[in-house]
Amino acid sequence: AQKVTQAQTEISVVEKEDVTLDCVYETRDTTYYLFWYKQPPSGELVFLIRRNSFDEQNEISGRYSWNFQKSTSSFNFTITASQVVDSAVYFCALSETSGYSTLTFGKGTMLLVSP
Amino acid sequence: DAGVIQSPRHEVTEMGQEVTLRCKPISGHDYLFWYRQTMMRGLELLIYFNNNVPIDDSGMPEDRFSAKMPNASFSTLKIQPSEPRDSAVYFCASSPPDRGDTEAFFGQGTRLTVV
Repeated sequence: AQKVTQAQTEISVVEKEDVTLDCVYETRDTTYYLFWYKQPPSGELVFLIRRNSFDEQNEISGRYSWNFQKSTSSFNFTITASQVVDSAVYFCALSETSGYSTLTFGKGTMLLVSP
Repeated sequence: DAGVIQSPRHEVTEMGQEVTLRCKPISGHDYLFWYRQTMMRGLELLIYFNNNVPIDDSGMPEDRFSAKMPNASFSTLKIQPSEPRDSAVYFCASSPPDRGDTEAFFGQGTRLTVV
């Protein structure tokens, strides 16, 4: 069975600090997809990134970067120079590709960025 | 496309009443998912459909919950009778046929309060 663990329930930082959100996953599949979603205070779920298990290259998108390490089954998310607008709950999710599979979400990490 | 559309956005009802949540998936998507989000349990998959057929309803908490997808553009999640512990945010999401290579697109959710 697949499982996603986000050990950090809440992180508080001051604006401009860098922050890393951890995600550890478990799966028996060799092919799978990993995702990050953002849930701002308004409540909707916003897709941020998708990675497949064959692509371990780190990705950078503006102030966001993701570090995928299969050896440690981790897919960590770093926000550089955090801003107040980054305050949200961030979810890591996993989707296996064998058979019918759906997104399994972690419990989420609430990020509070104060001015 | 307008994205996944859910209605109502907010619902307050009395215990024992029937509640119906509605979802219109993105046109062309043939997977539809219903998720429930609570503080205690996070995001949980309730049921999902493929081509209007329920594939996995193992996440439906009990017989009071039922879901239907009469056509490709509409789905309902019904709770009868509702209980206070059903209070949660219910998300509908849809994915295109090649969903293993893409993310699920989420609606804005329905916040249900049962008093």
